[in-house]
Amino acid sequence: EVQLVQSGAEVKKPGESLKISCKGFGYTFTSYWIAWVRQMPGKGLEWMGVRYPADSDTRYNPSFRGQVTISADKSINTVYLQWSSLKASDTGMYYCARVNTFGQSYGWGIDYWGQGTLVTVSS
Amino acid sequence: DIQVTQSPSSLSASVGDRVTITCRASQDISTWLGWHQQRPEKGPKSLIYATSSLQDGVPSRFSGSGSGTTFNLTISSLQPEDFATYYCLQYKTSPPAFGQGTKVEIK
Repeated sequence: EVQLVQSGAEVKKPGESLKISCKGFGYTFTSYWIAWVRQMPGKGLEWMGVRYPADSDTRYNPSFRGQVTISADKSINTVYLQWSSLKASDTGMYYCARVNTFGQSYGWGIDYWGQGTLVTVSS
Repeated sequence: DIQVTQSPSSLSASVGDRVTITCRASQDISTWLGWHQQRPEKGPKSLIYATSSLQDGVPSRFSGSGSGTTFNLTISSLQPEDFATYYCLQYKTSPPAFGQGTKVEIK
């Protein structure tokens, strides 16, 4: 069974750094891109970026480039989302998701989601 | 970037009702569109990919249709567990884009 298991909720102060994780189970982790998706309180879903765990290929939504860093450690089937200096506006739920082309030669569809990591940034 | 506009933003319906949600893309995306369900206080779940293909385990009362720029998600007979927010996702181009969401509430 495919599962994406995310790290637990975090409470941080503005200016602090943070790294949250997403670990894949039940499939060949290096064969699928992993996406990060933000959901701010009471709002919709926003695509942040993707990482291919097999190499260093990372694509960011221009809206998030420079604000976060997506990395991976393929030896432990884990992708990370990292902030160097958090802001209150980073408060939200962050989901990882497995990307699937659904049999096409390209595409950024999603077939499985993690359970989410709540990040609260408050002084 | 391709944008997606979803409508309505919310609707009220009764158990057993037929419900249709629409997504419109700003450019032709062929059939590169999926639908995702998010129940209250839960993470999203993939329902449909490639416009009309159901993910494993998704009930047949859910169906998707469309191509090009206009797409529909239909629930043929609404069940209590279907009260949730639904999002479309265009995934033909990068960055992919979600619709704004449709909250389906109990009438």
